[in-house]
Amino acid sequence: QSALTQPASVSGSPGQSITISCTGTSSDVGGYNYVSWYQQHPGKAPKLMIYEVSNRPSGVPDRFSGSKSGNTASLTISGLQAEDEADYYCSSYTSSSTGVVFGGGTKLTVL
Amino acid sequence: QVQLVESGGGLVKPGGSLRLSCAVSGFTFSDYYVSWIRQAPGKGLEWISHISTGGYTIYYADSVKGRFTISRDNAKNSLYLQMNGLRAEDTAVYYCARVRVWAVDYWGQGALVTVSS
Repeated sequence: QSALTQPASVSGSPGQSITISCTGTSSDVGGYNYVSWYQQHPGKAPKLMIYEVSNRPSGVPDRFSGSKSGNTASLTISGLQAEDEADYYCSSYTSSSTGVVFGGGTKLTVL
Repeated sequence: QVQLVESGGGLVKPGGSLRLSCAVSGFTFSDYYVSWIRQAPGKGLEWISHISTGGYTIYYADSVKGRFTISRDNAKNSLYLQMNGLRAEDTAVYYCARVRVWAVDYWGQGALVTVSS
């Protein structure tokens, strides 16, 4: 069982917007602004898409945005494209022993 | 450019040991926390350990505590993971990762560890 809760799957059509949620507790998501989001295509290493809740690394399209409210963080992808189809994982710093916890992952299907 | 290259993966019997290495280049290794993250086949990501710049602060997931040991050699730009008492559930791709503000901004390509008799 993952420490952070994500929906198993979401889907959307090209051009639409989707949002993936990531729910934790006050010990992780709610307590720190160290929420990150990763995109992983099959057989590839994950790629950082968002860090510190809402910051995009250089090279990540501005179609990707992050936010947080209370114990829930969200990743929004606008203007969906076929290449956005992938697994998405959230993570957060946590005051528990491991330091960082991941969500269980969300499979995004572009219809 | 930033590179992290894992080595040392392979097939090992239950109860056996394996040592993963990660050679880094393209950045000042001693300035960054680094971590090991694993992904079992068809499963999600698991942060199993990280180590601070000077090696003085170390974290382990409960799933590997007491069996795995993380270490680094800043002079050799290398990160290590000594894995003892391996179990079938340790079968996974192990990623070496650079950590910045508790996010992984660079990942290695991964090393497959298979624990099977």
